[in-house]
Amino acid sequence: SAVISQKPSRDICQRGTSLTIQCQVDSQVTMMFWYRQQPGQSLTLIATANQGSEATYESGFVIDKFPISRPNLTFSTLTVSNMSPEDSSIYLCSVVWQGETQYFGPGTRLLVL
Amino acid sequence: QKEVEQNSGPLSVPEGAIASLNCTYSDRGSQSFFWYRQYSGKSPELIMSIYSNGDKEDGRFTAQLNKASQYVSLLIRDSQPSDSATYLCAVNTGNQFYFGTGTSLTVIP
Repeated sequence: SAVISQKPSRDICQRGTSLTIQCQVDSQVTMMFWYRQQPGQSLTLIATANQGSEATYESGFVIDKFPISRPNLTFSTLTVSNMSPEDSSIYLCSVVWQGETQYFGPGTRLLVL
Repeated sequence: QKEVEQNSGPLSVPEGAIASLNCTYSDRGSQSFFWYRQYSGKSPELIMSIYSNGDKEDGRFTAQLNKASQYVSLLIRDSQPSDSATYLCAVNTGNQFYFGTGTSLTVIP
């Protein structure tokens, strides 16, 4: 399986600031996703990170708020822009391994004050 | 209708009992099915995958798939307090992944 790391593992941020989360995979993967999981809730897909092109966003998520980069097949970043307390959540990147199975990174725990 | 449905629970079982977790899905074309375990404050961890009708066993875990009924289940034998977590059912339909909302399991010592 793929080994996935995320940075930072947690952060406390002030309202109105931005945070960039990094996701690194130890192998090249075609599909990478970004999810949000709010306390006590299930996973919500934010977007599919596409290598070499703009990310594909799910309904309710926009590029201005959650810009995503995917410069190569092992790395992606998600930025949470102009944060508000409602953005407090766990942010997870995931990859699809060998076309079938999805694995998750350890997550980034974000608290916005 | 949601793509994947699970009972949210909570489900409580005594230590040593069998825990049974259930999941239904809406797309008959779905080909791959997964169970993830998520401890509080942690990310989901893959514990079982199943692709064919029938049972698949891995240690204390058994996944069961019935494509005709569009039903996937996870049985945990000899449940341990360390099995207390939220279990997510996931379905891969044409490279679209759909997750259930999860079932919270508590194993009582």
